[in-house]
Amino acid sequence: SQQGEEDPQALSIQEGENATMNCSYKTSINNLQWYRQNSGRGLVHLILIRSNEREKHSGRLRVTLDTSKKSSSLLITASRAADTASYFCATERSGGYNKLIFGAGTRLAVHP
Amino acid sequence: GAVVSQHPSRVICKSGTSVKIECRSLDFQATTMFWYRQFPKQSLMLMATSNEGSKATYEQGVEKDKFLINHASLTLSTLTVTSAHPEDSSFYICSALGSGISNQPQHFGDGTRLSIL
Repeated sequence: SQQGEEDPQALSIQEGENATMNCSYKTSINNLQWYRQNSGRGLVHLILIRSNEREKHSGRLRVTLDTSKKSSSLLITASRAADTASYFCATERSGGYNKLIFGAGTRLAVHP
Repeated sequence: GAVVSQHPSRVICKSGTSVKIECRSLDFQATTMFWYRQFPKQSLMLMATSNEGSKATYEQGVEKDKFLINHASLTLSTLTVTSAHPEDSSFYICSALGSGISNQPQHFGDGTRLSIL
């Protein structure tokens, strides 16, 4: 399968709450990336974490990577209504010529 | 920085028409561009990898004669959907990578929604 898996498929929370999304993959990777997509738009890069890194932060975002379990998580703290979007993880495989394999995505809805 | 422009954003046309979609990197040189297809509420499926000055590499199951890709310069790649039919209706997204850089994110265009009547 070209795709990894993400869970949950959909997440609905209130503003101010934290949102956690998980991603699993199948092959050895160079890096794992998280992207955000607003409805009907392109993807916006959020964070890239390399295979030798375990945790990375960017503003309200925290990403972890566990290569032994082939999994990653994205945490959005103190969510806002503007965070409503679909979030995708994507892995760049080792020797993969920069090609990305995307997960199925998590649709996040943050209610005011 | 790292802006990718995709044009047009929306196309509605009759069955049998060929449609060209452009993907431009506006402020950097992109030796590699990627073309994806996305069905509603689904993930992105890589269609092909486009390298400047060489033939595109297509993923398994993607018809190269149906989806013609040209990457004639370091800032422009085009995808032409030839003789489009309703089943080709989808959201097409391009992305670009700067040259010679590893472990860098892809920069995405805003996508083209193609509707074939």
